[in-house]
Amino acid sequence: AQSVTQLDSHVSVSEGTPVLLRCNYSSSYSPSLFWYVQHPNKGLQLLLKYTSAATLVKGINGFEAEFKKSETSFHLTKPSAHMSDAAEYFCVVSPHGTNDYKLSFGAGTTVTVRA
Amino acid sequence: SAVISQKPSRDICQRGTSLTIQCQVDSQVTMMFWYRQQPGQSLTLIATANQGSEATYESGFVIDKFPISRPNLTFSTLTVSNMSPEDSSIYLCSVLGGSGNQPQHFGDGTRLSIL
Repeated sequence: AQSVTQLDSHVSVSEGTPVLLRCNYSSSYSPSLFWYVQHPNKGLQLLLKYTSAATLVKGINGFEAEFKKSETSFHLTKPSAHMSDAAEYFCVVSPHGTNDYKLSFGAGTTVTVRA
Repeated sequence: SAVISQKPSRDICQRGTSLTIQCQVDSQVTMMFWYRQQPGQSLTLIATANQGSEATYESGFVIDKFPISRPNLTFSTLTVSNMSPEDSSIYLCSVLGGSGNQPQHFGDGTRLSIL
């Protein structure tokens, strides 16, 4: 079994300040973890993925996430928010290295960026 | 990554009618999935579209309500049957690449409103 908890339903930041989106997971297997972003009226775009290699993962648009097994966390960060970062963000888990391809989604975090 | 086209991008339908959503991929993919995203919610997996055989449905979803076809490795359809206002959602297609390795890539979704 696997599940994801996104600890913040809404995060508001000022443009140019850091962004932190928190995600905790549980998984019976060694997990693969992903962050997706959904802009208004768009589908989901992959920001980054962790699949058992380096624990610090760099993604697109300046985002990065750190896998911490001891804390079962996979928090997403960006040093300086841009107006275009306003969107919905989903933390997602799936079993790694198995034939089970099902994704478990967090509830999502809405990010607003103030000018 | 694969380019995924979904049609229609949005529609407004009358209750009791049915709508078929198409998902076309620009390359052969191992697996295709259909998700539902209810207003303000995260994504829920409806079913896995199996090429040449019946789709595999998740708990709470049935073939009579959501018939799915997948005639080849690049195309799938989802039909939402006998629609009611509760079916108003975003329906998204996702694919897993030829190697079967994560991550899944998503189309832009079909935004469906039922009057």
